[in-house]
Amino acid sequence: DIQMTQSPSSLSASVGDRVTITCRASQSISTYLNWYQQKPGKAPKLLIYAASRLQSGVPSRFSGSGPGTDFTLTISSLQPEDFATYYCQQSYSTPQTFGQGTKVEIK
Amino acid sequence: EVQLLESGGGLVQPGGSLRVSCAASGFTFSSYAMSWVRQAPGKGLEWVSAISGSGGSTYYADSVKGRFTISRDNSKNTLYLQMNSLRAEDTAVYYCAKSPGTIAVKSYFDLWGRGTLVTVSS
Repeated sequence: DIQMTQSPSSLSASVGDRVTITCRASQSISTYLNWYQQKPGKAPKLLIYAASRLQSGVPSRFSGSGPGTDFTLTISSLQPEDFATYYCQQSYSTPQTFGQGTKVEIK
Repeated sequence: EVQLLESGGGLVQPGGSLRVSCAASGFTFSSYAMSWVRQAPGKGLEWVSAISGSGGSTYYADSVKGRFTISRDNSKNTLYLQMNSLRAEDTAVYYCAKSPGTIAVKSYFDLWGRGTLVTVSS
C-alpha cells in the first residue's frame, strides 16, 4: 500500500496568513493526489484534485502543487472559514489511502 | 439538488451484521462509481470499498475483505454496504462518496454524504 504522510499534524495561524501543508507519498503517484477539507461533525469536501486542479466553487486562495512524491496545499490568505482539518488522498492505486490529516487552528 | 443520504447505522454486537444504504439524488446514479469511506471517532479517513458505475467491478480494503460486500441498485439509485462479522474496530462514521466518472479506480470523491454511525459493542 502507498503510505501518505502529512506535515505538520497541526498548526496555528492567524487570519490573513499564508499556510502551506505538505503531503509525501511513499512512492511516485504522478498527479493522482487530492485534497479535502473537513470541519467538525461534517463530511469532507473536495478542494483540489489531480494535484493542482481547483474543484468548482472552491475559492482561488486554495492551490496545490505536485507531481511525484511531494505535494503541497497552500492557502494564500487564511480566512475564518478555513479553520478545519485537511487530508490528502492518493488515487494512484488501490487501496486509495489518506494522509493522517492536518488540523489548522486559530492562533 | 445533488445529494447523498446514508442510513442504516446503529449499534450492533461484535460478530453481528448490518447493512448501510446511501440514497442518491440529483444526478444519473448509474454513470458514476461510488465508494464507502469510514472515520473512526477522533481519527482520520479510511477508504473501505468502491464499485464501478455498472456494478461490475468492486474493490475492498484488506481490513474488510471477506467480511463486507458493496453493491448498488441503479434502478433505485441506492448504494449498499453489507457488513458481516463486525468487530469493535469497525466502529466509525461511514460515508458514501461519489466519483466523477464511471470507473472506480484512479479517482477522487467529488460528493460526500453526511455519514451514518456504526457502533460495534457488546
